[in-house]
Amino acid sequence: GQNIDQPTEMTATEGAIVQINCTYQTSGFNGLFWYQQHAGEAPTFLSYNVLDGLEEKGRFSSFLSRSKGYSYLLLKELQMKDSASYLCAVRLGGSYIPTFGRGTSLIVHP
Amino acid sequence: DAMVIQNPRYQVTQFGKPVTLSCSQTLNHNVMYWYQQKSSQAPKLLFHYYDKDFNNEADTPDNFQSRRPNTSFCFLDIRSPGLGDAAMYLCATSRTSSGGTDTQYFGPGTRLTVL
Repeated sequence: GQNIDQPTEMTATEGAIVQINCTYQTSGFNGLFWYQQHAGEAPTFLSYNVLDGLEEKGRFSSFLSRSKGYSYLLLKELQMKDSASYLCAVRLGGSYIPTFGRGTSLIVHP
Repeated sequence: DAMVIQNPRYQVTQFGKPVTLSCSQTLNHNVMYWYQQKSSQAPKLLFHYYDKDFNNEADTPDNFQSRRPNTSFCFLDIRSPGLGDAAMYLCATSRTSSGGTDTQYFGPGTRLTVL
């Protein structure tokens, strides 16, 4: 089975760095996605990890450790517009469909 | 350039009155999905089409049906909406390929209100 855990809510200050963690228990892991979702809008793709290590993309980076069932999304130089929900989604081996976590609501304040 | 389009963006219906939500895509993706998302919850997969093959999730109520007349369009029919069906309905697409990321692309969603 699969159980995806993320913190419900986090707050951070504009200009700071924040790390959003995601842990999962799943068999046959085959990729992990991070999506950003602003209130009332659709999720937008941020990153994809299938191998261990860090993937960097501008201000956002995503890390994966398959042996630990753990990923994090790192946001640097936070901006007010980064206030959103961040969804972790995990895909099982043999399936093309990811299962979503509940998301972490990030609040960035001045 | 819109890639996954959903209409309408906001839909209000009455309890028990059938409603249809539509989704279209310009990506020529072979897989289309419908998700239901309630406030502060994860998107919940209702069903998806892999090409023309319909795949229903085991816990999707019979009240929800779907049609995919061609590659570009997919519809969600709610036959008798209840108050508990009020939610955001998200359409997504992906192109499945061996070894690919199969990233899902989401439409803007339709916010359904049931009175």
